[in-house]
Amino acid sequence: NAGVTQTPKFQVLKTGQSMTLQCAQDMNHNSMYWYRQDPGMGLRLIYYSASEGTTDKGEVPNGYNVSRLNKREFSLRLESAAPSQTSVYFCASSPRSGSGYTFGSGTRLTVV
Amino acid sequence: GQQLNQSPQSMFIQEGEDVSMNCTSSSIFNTWLWYKQDPGEGPVLLIALYKAGELTSNGRLTAQFGITRKDSFLNISASIPSDVGIYFCAGQLFKAAGNKLTFGGGTRVLVKP
Repeated sequence: NAGVTQTPKFQVLKTGQSMTLQCAQDMNHNSMYWYRQDPGMGLRLIYYSASEGTTDKGEVPNGYNVSRLNKREFSLRLESAAPSQTSVYFCASSPRSGSGYTFGSGTRLTVV
Repeated sequence: GQQLNQSPQSMFIQEGEDVSMNCTSSSIFNTWLWYKQDPGEGPVLLIALYKAGELTSNGRLTAQFGITRKDSFLNISASIPSDVGIYFCAGQLFKAAGNKLTFGGGTRVLVKP
């Protein structure tokens, strides 16, 4: 029972490069989320997908795009990476309201 | 938008001590959740609270859903070194769009040198 799996775990990008962060859950959860966590700070919601086929902006969506490929997978894309996007990115999933989230172990991204 | 104020921002613990942290909001929530994040890992759910006044324990952890529904408290009894980490509170409205949670800024728990 893997839960929420994120790949890669670590990544270094040059400014202007693009990349996609992958997230998959095997719990049949409806909703999925992408957060970023900066040093000493809390979690900020980038995008979420309430159910398969829908995506919505969160608190800090600029510079990112998402795709809910199917019920299991929710990817986050950086089209042109900037140093301000250096952060730890967490994917999470939830089955329904009131049940809380299950988080992945994170992707540590550095943009130089 | 809604904000959760979590305090203290950081604290030092000594083994055996009881510690407390709290979370307050300007808005009412229907669900309160407490998470712990170990270094290099994602947050893990510790306790979920669903009713005003509810008191729930998970081992040495006890959390309460405030009677006004605008606050929640987490207590750790008899601290041990592995209690170190960041503790996050989160609130959720009933049938929130996308089941979204609002997170507090975290309380960083450190060991006294």
